[in-house]
Order: sequence, then structure tokens, then C-alpha cells
Amino acid sequence: GQSLEQPSEVTAVEGAIVQINCTYQTSGFYGLSWYQQHDGGAPTFLSYNALDGLEETGRFSSFLSRSDSYGYLLLQELQMKDSASYFCAVRDGNFNKFYFGSGTKLNVKP
Amino acid sequence: SAVISQKPSRDICQRGTSLTIQCQVDSQVTMMFWYRQQPGQSLTLIATANQGSEATYESGFVIDKFPISRPNLTFSTLTVSNMSPEDSSIYLCSVSGTGELFFGEGSRLTVL
Repeated sequence: GQSLEQPSEVTAVEGAIVQINCTYQTSGFYGLSWYQQHDGGAPTFLSYNALDGLEETGRFSSFLSRSDSYGYLLLQELQMKDSASYFCAVRDGNFNKFYFGSGTKLNVKP
Repeated sequence: SAVISQKPSRDICQRGTSLTIQCQVDSQVTMMFWYRQQPGQSLTLIATANQGSEATYESGFVIDKFPISRPNLTFSTLTVSNMSPEDSSIYLCSVSGTGELFFGEGSRLTVL
């Protein structure tokens, strides 16, 4: 089976940097991806790591350590619009399926 | 990327009835995924729909409750059968790219 753990809630102020961690246990690991979901909306893709290291996409970066079964999403220069839920998801290489973590609610305060 | 359309976007249903959700993709895809998101919860994979074969269900989900059709490479349906209030959720259709998932806007079902 699959198991992913994320903090349930994080609070930060505008302009700050926040890191959302994700630890996972799965068989046939192929990659880790991150999604943002605003209230009432569908999840939208942010970033994907198949190899160890850091991937940067604008204000968002994602990191993966396969040996530690660990990754994180880094959000810089936080804006109020970043207030949302963030989910990590593992891609199961055996069946090309995606399993989601429990999600982290990010609250950005002025 | 892929553009995914789902219908209905929302519905209010009576206990014991069934509802079919449609999912249309703007390109041909091999696999389509159906997820459920209960209020305030994460996304749970219900099943994977492959064209030309029966859907593959995750643990805890059965075909009698969630029958799926996949008649071609751009379309799928998920039926929620004999609904109860516990089925009140957002149901999401998705397809995968290189390493990401693309989602439809979801179908928000409320069962009374």
C-alpha cells in the first residue's frame, strides 16, 4: 500500500518562505508531485520530481530525496492568494497511479 | 496538458438513487482516473479506467457501487449507485501526463 504524511496546517505571513514536508512509503515509487487546491476548486499541478534534487518553478520549488522517502514544497515570497491546500502525491510506477497525501492547509496572513 | 470536462458540476440526489458522472477529455488517453474527495479530506483513488478493459478498483471500492464505463479513448463515466449521505463528495476525473495529473472541475454531489 501507500502512506504519505504531511503537516495538517501551516501559517505564515505575506512575503515569507514556507516549506511543506511530505514523507512517503510506497512500493514501486516513480515520482512525487505537488498540487494546489483552493476552496471549491479542482487541484492544479505545481511540480514533479522523479529524481533527487531541487526543481524550481518561479516562486515554487520542490525537492526530493528518494533514499529518505522524503520531499518538500518550498513557497517563496508568499502572497495572500497562496492560501490554499497543498497535496503531495506519489506516482506508483508499477501501475502509473497517483496516491495523495492528507494535504496541508496553508494560511497566509498579512 | 489536457482539458477535461465533467458533467454534472453539482447535483443534489435522494438516498437510494444512482447518478452517472460524465468525463470528456480533449485528447486521446490510455488511462483515466476517478477520485473521490470527501468534505475537508484528501483525494482518494476510486478506480482506473482503461479503454477496452474492465476498470481496476482500489481497495474499499467495488464495481457494484461504482460502475465505470470507458467506451473510447476520450470519454468515461462513473456511476454512484444506491447513494447514501456518506457518498456526498466531490468526484474528480483525471488523466496523467509525464508526471502530473490533470483534473476536471469535479462533480459535487450532495445526497439527502
